[in-house]
Formats: sequence, C-alpha cells, structure tokens
Amino acid sequence: NAGVTQTPKFRVLKTGQSMTLLCAQDMNHEYMYWYRQDPGMGLRLIHYSVGEGTTAKGEVPDGYNVSRLKKQNFLLGLESAAPSQTSVYFCASAGAGAFSGANVLTFGAGSRLTVL
Amino acid sequence: DQQVKQNSPSLSVQEGRISILNCDYTNSMFDYFLWYKKYPAEGPTFLISISSIKDKNEDGRFTVFLNKSAKHLSLHIVPSQPGDSAVYFCALFFSGGYNKLIFGAGTRLAVHP
Repeated sequence: NAGVTQTPKFRVLKTGQSMTLLCAQDMNHEYMYWYRQDPGMGLRLIHYSVGEGTTAKGEVPDGYNVSRLKKQNFLLGLESAAPSQTSVYFCASAGAGAFSGANVLTFGAGSRLTVL
Repeated sequence: DQQVKQNSPSLSVQEGRISILNCDYTNSMFDYFLWYKKYPAEGPTFLISISSIKDKNEDGRFTVFLNKSAKHLSLHIVPSQPGDSAVYFCALFFSGGYNKLIFGAGTRLAVHP
C-alpha cells in the first residue's frame, strides 16, 4: 500500500520554464490537496479538489494550476516558474465526511523545487 | 493574518524529560485540533488530535491539551526520546471546509541524550 506518491522528488527549473508535479493516491480518497512548505511559514494550501473533475483555490493559488482528471491523481502545474516558487511541495489526500481517523490528511514525501 | 501560531521555532530537551510544544489560534470555528510530526525528507504524519469539546486527549507518551478560553493548544511528550526529534506542526480542522487543514509554522524538537 503506497499511500500518496509524488513525482518528481527533486527538480531545478529556470525562470519562465513550466513543469507539472504529479500526485497519485491509492486509498480511494475523495479529497486531494497541494500544499507548499517554506521556512517560518508552515504549510500553506495552494489548491484542493473534492472529487474527480473539481478543483478549488486555497490560500496561495497564484501562479499555479491544477487538474483532477482521475480520482486517484492530482496534478499541480507551474506555467511560468518564478524564484518565489522555490519551495517544497506536498500533496495530501483525505476521505470525505466527518472527522475520523479515516479522513485525516495523509501526505506524500514531498517534491523539492528550485527555480533559478 | 495567521490563524495558527507556534511561537517557538525550536525546542531542545534532554532524553527522559518532558517536551511541551505550544500552539495558539485565533478562530473558534474549528472542530478538531491536530498535531503532525515531520522528519527530514518525509511528509508530515498524523500524531494525535483533540475534539473542540474536550480538553485533554492521551495516546501513550503523547498528550494534547486544549484551553478553549485561551485559544491555546499544547502537546506534551513524556518521556522524550531521541526518536521524537522532528518538526511538529499543529493544525486546525474544520469539517465544513472539505477537511482542509490550516497549519502553524512548526516547532523543531531536538531530544538529546
């Protein structure tokens, strides 16, 4: 049982380049999320999805796009990377419904992105 | 404006002693309060939670206390072990918000022999 898998784990981009981070979960979770972690800032929500074909903005959505074409996958895209997007990106998934151990967010191992 | 604050970026504790990590929040709308633990090069993992209607929850060496009037949350680890060395995030959970979590900035705990 892999849980939440993120690819790639590391990437270096030049300013203006584009890329896509892939998140895959095998827990049949309804909800998926993309967070970024920066020093002194904790984890901040970029975008999230409450089901296949749906997406919504989080706290820091600017400069990112997302897609959820399949229930198990959630893609995060950077169309024109900027140095301010240098960060560690975490994908998470959770079951729907009232709080329980089954719907606490499960995180992937992270993707470290550097934009030069 | 941060809804969750962890004012201590780091904490150093001797093995066997108690570790106390603190968290303050500003909004009373949240249903649950959680602690996540994060090791380097790994994603955060869920540690313990507490409902907003309780003031204490215990799981082995870990106890979380909630003081709603002070809007304060704390995590106690007794006894602390070197394997507890990690970054600890408190997080607020609101069921009406598609189970999103709002995180604090984290506290790095170092447990030394």
